[in-house]
Formats: sequence, C-alpha cells, structure tokens
Amino acid sequence: AQKITQTQPGMFVQEKEAVTLDCTYDTSDQSYGLFWYKQPSSGEMIFLIYQGSYDEQNATEGRYSLNFQKARKSANLVISASQLGDSAMYFCAMREFYNDYKLSFGAGTTVTVRA
Amino acid sequence: GAVVSQHPSWVICKSGTSVKIECRSLDFQATTMFWYRQFPKQSLMLMATSNEGSKATYEQGVEKDKFLINHASLTLSTLTVTSAHPEDSSFYICSARGQGLETQYFGPGTRLLVL
Repeated sequence: AQKITQTQPGMFVQEKEAVTLDCTYDTSDQSYGLFWYKQPSSGEMIFLIYQGSYDEQNATEGRYSLNFQKARKSANLVISASQLGDSAMYFCAMREFYNDYKLSFGAGTTVTVRA
Repeated sequence: GAVVSQHPSWVICKSGTSVKIECRSLDFQATTMFWYRQFPKQSLMLMATSNEGSKATYEQGVEKDKFLINHASLTLSTLTVTSAHPEDSSFYICSARGQGLETQYFGPGTRLLVL
C-alpha cells in the first residue's frame, strides 16, 4: 500500500501567490516524522520543512508552512508569495519509528511558477 | 551546516565497466547513509541503508553483488556499480543522517550513463 500519496502531478501558480501541495500518509505508528523536499532541475534534494507526529504546532520555515492534520493524516505544504525560483519538483516523505529512519517518498508534484 | 557532497556529478562509461560513486558528509558525522536511485520524472527509490562499520542493508529487488556499498567511516560511503549495463543508467543520490538528527540531508546526485 502507498504510504505517501501526492495526488497533484503538476501545478501552475502565479508569481507572488500562495500554493498548497497536498500530501496524505498512511501509518499505524504513533511516532513518525513528515518531511518536504524540493528538487529543482539540477537534481539536488533540498530539505524544506519537518513535522513530528507529536508536534502540536504546525511547522513553519520562512515562506514554507506545513498544514498538519493528524486525524486526517494529511501534511500539506503551503508556499507563500511564490517566486520563479520555486519552480521545481516537491516531494513529501515520511519516516516511521520502527523503520530505522528510512524515508518513504510520494510521487512528487511539479510546481511551475509563472511571471 | 549539514552539507553532503557526492562525486562524481556525471559519469559516462562503457558497458561492462565498474563505476564508484562517493558520498561524503562534510560537516557532521553520518551515523547512517542511504543510497537512492531515481528515473526521470519519478520518485526516489531506496536501494540500501548503510551504517558505519557494518554491512549495508539492501531493499528487496536490489542486487547486492551488483551494487556494492561500503561505509568505511563516519563521513564516507561509496556505491560501486559493478559490470554496469545500459539499464543501470540513472540518477543516483545519497543522503546522510547524523546521530540524534531527525533529517536526512542529500548529496547533489550522480548521473550515470552507460553506453
């Protein structure tokens, strides 16, 4: 079964607008971590934001915020004030406590920012 | 902080040769390193997990004799693709996790083309 589901293969967003990238996950663990990574065309994976399952507040890092809804098992990424440099592939990933820090990745969402 | 380097960034080789890819954590000691493979427009596939000083743990379907992994020190892991064939052409990317750190930090990746 898919552990991480990203249902949006591609999205377009206007510069300076906000965009929300969907991510749902499946786990029976109580302790887990959720990550978002950005992969530009160069290929490097850039860590954006982390949310622990026991964190009560939504994580924020600059223009990135994670909308964590535990009961719904969703961890959507919100990018505010989009910039042209935000055009990239975005991956949601989960680390489960029992799984020795391995990450399960979603299929990814390609974001294209238009001027 | 948390910088991971990978070398080489590009390699083109003839079918039947072996190729070694290095992954180094530059400013932290990597308790665990992970090796992934990624095909164009697809997600990352975990190949193996390596802990310093012990044998790598391979994911199901990954040939351990084909993809040799060595994690000789807390800052260096190597992946050797032995007797490479055109179907081994792919983007190989490593990540590293330090003791007590939640996040995996990724190297810039290596593009392998086997002719």
